[in-house]
Amino acid sequence: DIVLTQSPGTLSSSPGERATLSCRASQSVSSSQLAWYQQKPGQAPRLLIYGASSRAIGIPDRFSGSGSGTDFTLTINRLEPEDFAVYYCQQYGSSHTFGQGTKLEI
Amino acid sequence: QVRLVQAGGEVRKPGASVKLSCRTSGYTFTDYYIHWLRQAPGQGLEWVGWMNPHSEGYNYNEKFRGRVTVTRDKSISTAYLEVSGLRSDDTAVFFCARGQSGNSYWYFDYWGQGALVTVSS
Repeated sequence: DIVLTQSPGTLSSSPGERATLSCRASQSVSSSQLAWYQQKPGQAPRLLIYGASSRAIGIPDRFSGSGSGTDFTLTINRLEPEDFAVYYCQQYGSSHTFGQGTKLEI
Repeated sequence: QVRLVQAGGEVRKPGASVKLSCRTSGYTFTDYYIHWLRQAPGQGLEWVGWMNPHSEGYNYNEKFRGRVTVTRDKSISTAYLEVSGLRSDDTAVFFCARGQSGNSYWYFDYWGQGALVTVSS
């Protein structure tokens, strides 16, 4: 199975700043089949990005994804108070695996 | 709008079984796979398996094979996950989520709200 490692485990930022979250795969993710999700306490995950860089329906353009192969990045520009949550990456090129999550805290 | 609605949480004793439901609306039930995922308290997400509501085809994570069964009732656009031989480490929130028909592996664009299964003697 492909192992996804997210870093950092916790990221402290302030509203208005930019946050950069990393997801590294143990082997190449085929066809950039990587997604990002946001999860708030007591809620289901919410799809943000699929295909490494395509925004899901209704996702603000301050969220962007990039990368290919084994290294992927989620960038959140101009952080809003509602952006502070846990973020997971998921690869779906070979079965499904998730990273362990990055907690974005104020 | 697309909705996946799960029934409330369940409490079971070790060794028992639980059957979870996922009622869908807002789209054609048979046009999309339904996936099930698990999240233990304070932990990350783990894929359990998928089913194709059109053909009743399915696939399971090797870790859960033999203990989980996915089914559906087309007449009420509802998918089910049954987990047997429950252990204390099965205590988790189970989510259903919508995938893409024809692709065993895909991202999940809509999710149920989750159902907490508590396994305790």
